Amino acid sequence: ILNVEQSPQSLHVQEGDSTNFTCSFPSSNFYALHWYRWETAKSPEALFVMTLNGDEKKKGRISATLNTKEGYSYLYIKGSQPEDSATYLCAFKSPPGAGSYQLTFGKGTKLSVIP
Amino acid sequence: KAGVTQTPRYLIKTRGQQVTLSCSPISGHRSVSWYQQTPGQGLQFLFEYFSETQRNKGNFPGRFSGRQFSNSRSEMNVSTLELGDSALYLCASSLRVLASGGTSTDTQYFGPGTRLTVL
Repeated sequence: ILNVEQSPQSLHVQEGDSTNFTCSFPSSNFYALHWYRWETAKSPEALFVMTLNGDEKKKGRISATLNTKEGYSYLYIKGSQPEDSATYLCAFKSPPGAGSYQLTFGKGTKLSVIP
Repeated sequence: KAGVTQTPRYLIKTRGQQVTLSCSPISGHRSVSWYQQTPGQGLQFLFEYFSETQRNKGNFPGRFSGRQFSNSRSEMNVSTLELGDSALYLCASSLRVLASGGTSTDTQYFGPGTRLTVL
């Protein structure tokens, strides 16, 4: 059973603060790491798909880094805004044929941005 | 382009009944995956269908089954419902495209979910 851990479970920050959270995953049999944002009453929205060690992706004020050798990814939000309030999910995928070619999700980090 | 749609959005059933949930993927997407989310748990993978064939299956009992039609629409069925089956059921579609180098960008696009309550 693959173990994908996210920390912290929840986070409260003031508007304008920058923040980051962590996704830990198995360092062996890595294929891809996905990040999603899930706002209440909406569908999870894809943020990034990361496949290479050292990858850095950016979308507006949100960026992510990937370290496949040590099995972690960081998601950063610069200058948090109330509309960033959501649960951020990461999901790990191992290669086809090496176990499950499916997304294994962490339980998420719930971010609340206080105006 | 229309997104992933799921019907019904809400459903109330009693123990022992069965239920069928439907998912229509984004046009052109041939892969449909199903997930279950219960309180305190992350999204748990149920199964994936691609070109009408089940490609992967999660660790769920045989009461959970699915199928995919030639137009890529997918249905999920749960028989003999139990209280613990109360959950949000999400489906996601993807192109299942391999990028250069053999890696797959394979972004999954989620529907709004079906909230199932078992009484």
